[in-house]
Amino acid sequence: GAVVSQHPSRVICKSGTSVKIECRSLDFQATTMFWYRQFPKKSLMLMATSNEGSKATYEQGVEKDKFLINHASLTLSTLTVTSAHPEDSSFYICSAQGGTEAFFGQGTRLTVV
Amino acid sequence: SQQGEEDPQALSIQEGENATMNCSYKTSINNLQWYRQNSGRGLVHLILIRSNEREKHSGRLRVTLDTSKKSSSLLITASRAADTASYFCATVFSGGYNKLIFGAGTRLAVHP
Repeated sequence: GAVVSQHPSRVICKSGTSVKIECRSLDFQATTMFWYRQFPKKSLMLMATSNEGSKATYEQGVEKDKFLINHASLTLSTLTVTSAHPEDSSFYICSAQGGTEAFFGQGTRLTVV
Repeated sequence: SQQGEEDPQALSIQEGENATMNCSYKTSINNLQWYRQNSGRGLVHLILIRSNEREKHSGRLRVTLDTSKKSSSLLITASRAADTASYFCATVFSGGYNKLIFGAGTRLAVHP
């Protein structure tokens, strides 16, 4: 199947700093990518839909200024967690749509200390 | 919330037994998909069933879909210890960007 690469897999940052997570579709073009957040032993919560060349569409309750999404090309979307706080610590997963199937990155575990 | 419910939340069985997980959703869908997630990892796509299909097989997996009840089930036959993981159903709603909305998931533990 298609490959989606997400980087970094783990990151620890200090409160107040910003962290950028990259999601790349390696062997296909994705006009749409999705960003999810997952708390321990919980399901994936859709945060936003990332559209190439346009603004992201955020789900209700997700702060746009907190979670900046940029989809600069057909193979790359980035999620920047700005002014991170400990409550932002979580597992973040991206997916890229390839036809009817979504392909997922391996996730990024963010720990804010 | 569009997110559906899954039951059971946790399931513990012995190797060789069958595991059945159920998923319910709330609105009309284009298709329903099942995913597997090993602890702290990304998701692996298992099977997709379209809204006009009632049953689908893939190896040891059998998925059913009942659109009148807005529910689906995933059956894993002859389970193995390696099947231990969390299993999620996800629905793609009619219209929109084909975004996947995930159910709560079932944590399956298969004991040798």
